[in-house]
Amino acid sequence: GNSVTQMEGPVTLSEEAFLTINCTYTATGYPSLFWYVQYPGEGLQLLLKATKADDKGSNKGFEATYRKETTSFHLEKGSVQVSDSAVYFCALSSDNTDKLIFGTGTRLQVFP
Amino acid sequence: DAGVIQSPRHEVTEMGQEVTLRCKPISGHNSLFWYRQTMMRGLELLIYFNNNVPIDDSGMPEDRFSAKMPNASFSTLKIQPSEPRDSAVYFCASSTSPRVGRSEAFFGQGTRLTVV
Repeated sequence: GNSVTQMEGPVTLSEEAFLTINCTYTATGYPSLFWYVQYPGEGLQLLLKATKADDKGSNKGFEATYRKETTSFHLEKGSVQVSDSAVYFCALSSDNTDKLIFGTGTRLQVFP
Repeated sequence: DAGVIQSPRHEVTEMGQEVTLRCKPISGHNSLFWYRQTMMRGLELLIYFNNNVPIDDSGMPEDRFSAKMPNASFSTLKIQPSEPRDSAVYFCASSTSPRVGRSEAFFGQGTRLTVV
């Protein structure tokens, strides 16, 4: 079945450090891929998405490239800020289902 | 628009009691989703509706859980009787399409349920 695997957290970084959060997926067909972010006490918000291979989603300095050959959608940011501290969820939706399937989430903590 | 509105934000109840969680989706959205979030299991889709009709309830854990959507602006998730293992954060989300690969799902702030 379809699934998403994320690196376990927490990821702890100093401000202005480079961020990578790994995400790989298993899916039939050609899924769409997403990153959602959850700030403390809030619901999830869409951060970025990519709907086909080699697409790059980007938003707020974050980027992720849809790599079909490695079935990956790693999240990156060149210089993190304290305000980026949150839980990040990788997710997919495949053509044969209407569901969003989430990974387990990765907590990011950024210190000044 | 105020976004997806859930109530209550927090609920503490005793085992065996009935619990009702409420959700008001964004106006104009015709798909609504209920998720449960726990440390052990992460985010799980419980059920989703399209045009007020339940499309997939395969994620509903057992018969103690039921969900309704009597109209386009309101949905409830009911647990009767509640058990301590139901303690979790319950999220409602809405979208303009059930094909979430094609349109963004907007989440409410969640209801934190504690069953003691």
